[in-house]
Amino acid sequence: DAGVIQSPRHEVTEMGQEVTLRCKPISGHNSLFWYRQTMMRGLELLIYFNNNVPIDDSGMPEDRFSAKMPNASFSTLKIQPSEPRDSAVYFCASSFGSFGEQFFGPGTRLTVL
Amino acid sequence: SQQGEEDPQALSIQEGENATMNCSYKTSINNLQWYRQNSGRGLVHLILIRSNEREKHSGRLRVTLDTSKKSSSLLITASRAADTASYFCATVAPSGNTPLVFGKGTRLSVIA
Repeated sequence: DAGVIQSPRHEVTEMGQEVTLRCKPISGHNSLFWYRQTMMRGLELLIYFNNNVPIDDSGMPEDRFSAKMPNASFSTLKIQPSEPRDSAVYFCASSFGSFGEQFFGPGTRLTVL
Repeated sequence: SQQGEEDPQALSIQEGENATMNCSYKTSINNLQWYRQNSGRGLVHLILIRSNEREKHSGRLRVTLDTSKKSSSLLITASRAADTASYFCATVAPSGNTPLVFGKGTRLSVIA
């Protein structure tokens, strides 16, 4: 198994541009999580899906952030418009069920200039 | 909040020594999990301990859980330079509806 796949690995963009991060969870996992990590705030849960349905998006910072999971093998996190304070490493993780271990992707390092 | 809080924030030891990290939480749990994060990488699951378990081993790792004190500890024995990383604990609520919430982690440095 290839593990959780994220793309791109690095993204540099200018303020105001739209950014789309992508995630492919491990096949067979039915829960998917998006996290953001910064030095100041640590690891924050943004949103998570169970069976492709968003369960809790209370961690999404603002309306500029949106996430979708159109099928069991793909999810996107979109930021529109992006701002410098969105610069962070964004992780996607998946798991089977809500109780078990989560498998993390390698992350996308986003820099908004 | 289910958030785990790790202690200490940073720990520096010599290779071969044991490293102990602690985690405290606030509410009932189904299980508690420990993760490691190497610099620039995603988190990697190390060990899961259920609420009805008191101790668990995995290689050089030993995890204890005291539900009466709402605390857990992670012991790494005979540490190696490769153990240098950040270590996080996270808990799962009994309902399982609340996903893992991570603390800020303990930064472990193992000096060769």
